[in-house]
Amino acid sequence: AQSVTQLDSQVPVFEEAPVELRCNYSSSVSVYLFWYVQYPNQGLQLLLKYLSGSTLVKGINGFEAEFNKSQTSFHLRKPSVHISDTAEYFCAVSRPVSGSARQLTFGSGTQLTVLP
Amino acid sequence: DAGVIQSPRHEVTEMGQEVTLRCKPISGHNSLFWYRQTMMRGLELLIYFNNNVPIDDSGMPEDRFSAKMPNASFSTLKIQPSEPRDSAVYFCASSRLTSGTHTGELFFGEGSRLTVL
Repeated sequence: AQSVTQLDSQVPVFEEAPVELRCNYSSSVSVYLFWYVQYPNQGLQLLLKYLSGSTLVKGINGFEAEFNKSQTSFHLRKPSVHISDTAEYFCAVSRPVSGSARQLTFGSGTQLTVLP
Repeated sequence: DAGVIQSPRHEVTEMGQEVTLRCKPISGHNSLFWYRQTMMRGLELLIYFNNNVPIDDSGMPEDRFSAKMPNASFSTLKIQPSEPRDSAVYFCASSRLTSGTHTGELFFGEGSRLTVL
């Protein structure tokens, strides 16, 4: 079984400040890791993903995340946020289920609010 | 490129009525997923299809819910009869096999917001 824990449901931060959104996962098998962003009244879109290779992954809009296998974490960071980054962010873990299929499990989400 | 297309974007109906939500996945994608999003439960996977075949429908809440995928470019999620607790945003997502395996990366539609009065 696997689970995804996003430790903070709400993160308020001032514009141009750095931010870290935390994500921990539990899984007994090899996983792929994702961060998705959901802007108001829209669907989810992919920010970045870790499949293999370098543990530091860069995504769109200046976000990056680091895969830490020993701590089973995949925290999302941005050095300087903008008002337009206000959105809900979802961490997700993909694990194999059968054959070539994989199943994606989402965390509960973190609402990032950037304040002027 | 066209993304995942869902319709209707908004639906308001009365309890007991039948509701049909529609989804057109991205061309070339061979997996399709239906999710439900509410404040209380977050994102829940209802069902997913591989190559038009339902693989896992364990997330479907009850027999009032049914989903079909008659071909690679169309899927429906039907609720009959609808109840107020079905009010939620329903998302369709698609993905494809890459080099023989799914990465798990999904492409989402913009969702169908359902309100059952």
